[in-house]
Amino acid sequence: AQSVTQLDSQVPVFEEAPVELRCNYSSSVSVYLFWYVQYPNQGLQLLLKYLSGSTLVKGINGFEAEFNKSQTSFHLRKPSVHISDTAEYFCAGGNTPLVFGKGTRLSVIA
Amino acid sequence: DADVTQTPRNRITKTGKRIMLECSQTKGHDRMYWYRQDPGLGLRLIYYSFDVKDINKGEISDGYSVSRQAQAKFSLSLESAIPNQTALYFCATSDPRDRAGYTFGSGTRLTVV
Repeated sequence: AQSVTQLDSQVPVFEEAPVELRCNYSSSVSVYLFWYVQYPNQGLQLLLKYLSGSTLVKGINGFEAEFNKSQTSFHLRKPSVHISDTAEYFCAGGNTPLVFGKGTRLSVIA
Repeated sequence: DADVTQTPRNRITKTGKRIMLECSQTKGHDRMYWYRQDPGLGLRLIYYSFDVKDINKGEISDGYSVSRQAQAKFSLSLESAIPNQTALYFCATSDPRDRAGYTFGSGTRLTVV
């Protein structure tokens, strides 16, 4: 069965510190991978996606992710977080319909 | 106007009542989806539709039904609501030609008491 696993349910981090949110996918998932962000009381919006080509993908708001086929991972990173990055982040994979991870709640502390 | 509109935004209903959640889109996408979000469980697929005549069950379709009235409209019904259907419900659309992922609605927060 297809699956996407987010390894951390909550990640607290101080403002201006770097952050990594971890995501692993099962090899049965076709390799279209996405990260979505959900701000409080809002829907989900696309941060970035990997379809093919360069393994380092840049997204909005300074986020980037690296596709690693050998480790079946697609971790999300930001070198310096802001208070406004506090949100829930979802990794998703597959063709359609997408399979979602359970989410990682990022809390940025002033 | 939003590309994907869900109504209502919030709803409180009683156990046993029938309720319909509506989704409409202006993206022109053929594919539409219903997911529910529960804390700690992420998004789980309820139903999806690849065109007006194509309806498919997702992983948690029991207790739900859907109707694809037109390309732009996809409704989710709870025939007899129960408390464990209390959740945040999202409608989403996609276009397989651009592989851009989903466009989500703002969600419907449903509480069954």
